[in-house]
Amino acid sequence: GAVVSQHPSWVICKSGTSVKIECRSLDFQATTMFWYRQFPKQSLMLMATSNEGSKATYEQGVEKDKFLINHASLTLSTLTVTSAHPEDSSFYICSANLAGGTGELFFGEGSRLTVL
Amino acid sequence: AQSVTQLDSQVPVFEEAPVELRCNYSSSVSVYLFWYVQYPNQGLQLLLKYLSGSTLVKGINGFEAEFNKSQTSFHLRKPSVHISDTAEYFCAVSEASGTYKYIFGTGTRLKVLA
Repeated sequence: GAVVSQHPSWVICKSGTSVKIECRSLDFQATTMFWYRQFPKQSLMLMATSNEGSKATYEQGVEKDKFLINHASLTLSTLTVTSAHPEDSSFYICSANLAGGTGELFFGEGSRLTVL
Repeated sequence: AQSVTQLDSQVPVFEEAPVELRCNYSSSVSVYLFWYVQYPNQGLQLLLKYLSGSTLVKGINGFEAEFNKSQTSFHLRKPSVHISDTAEYFCAVSEASGTYKYIFGTGTRLKVLA
């Protein structure tokens, strides 16, 4: 089946630093990737939609300068949390659709960010 | 726009008992419906999906769900649960036009008791 991998799984950083999270589709090409944020014991909130080779579309209330998304190839999207602060601590999950697929998204394992 | 409601935030059930997790949705267009399971500190695993066709959908781990268009529901069922089914379950909806933009419910925590 289609596999999406995220790296790193866990990251701890100091306040004010930037952190990059990678999302890769391992065995398929993904024209679109999605980034979600999940607070403890809550649901997934869509942050942005990224299409290969174009600018990401951010959901209302998501700071595009804080959460930089790059989708440079059909198999890789990155989320960079810039100047991270403790309130950015969260579980970030990416997903990807299979090009020409049937509406199903494939999810990564998630990345836990803790900002000290 | 779509919305999803999972009325039960927590469902405790004894091992080997049946369970139903409820999901209702709202949409003005045709939809795809999904159930995902999430174990602690892990991503989402697809249990089952409804795209079209038969309204009774069978998934992995003995789960099934029935799409009821008139009641706008997609409830998840399992006839006999195991301790290992303890997890968070999310219902999701997306437009059938293929936008892939999922809207998730707030989740239901299933706790299976010995």
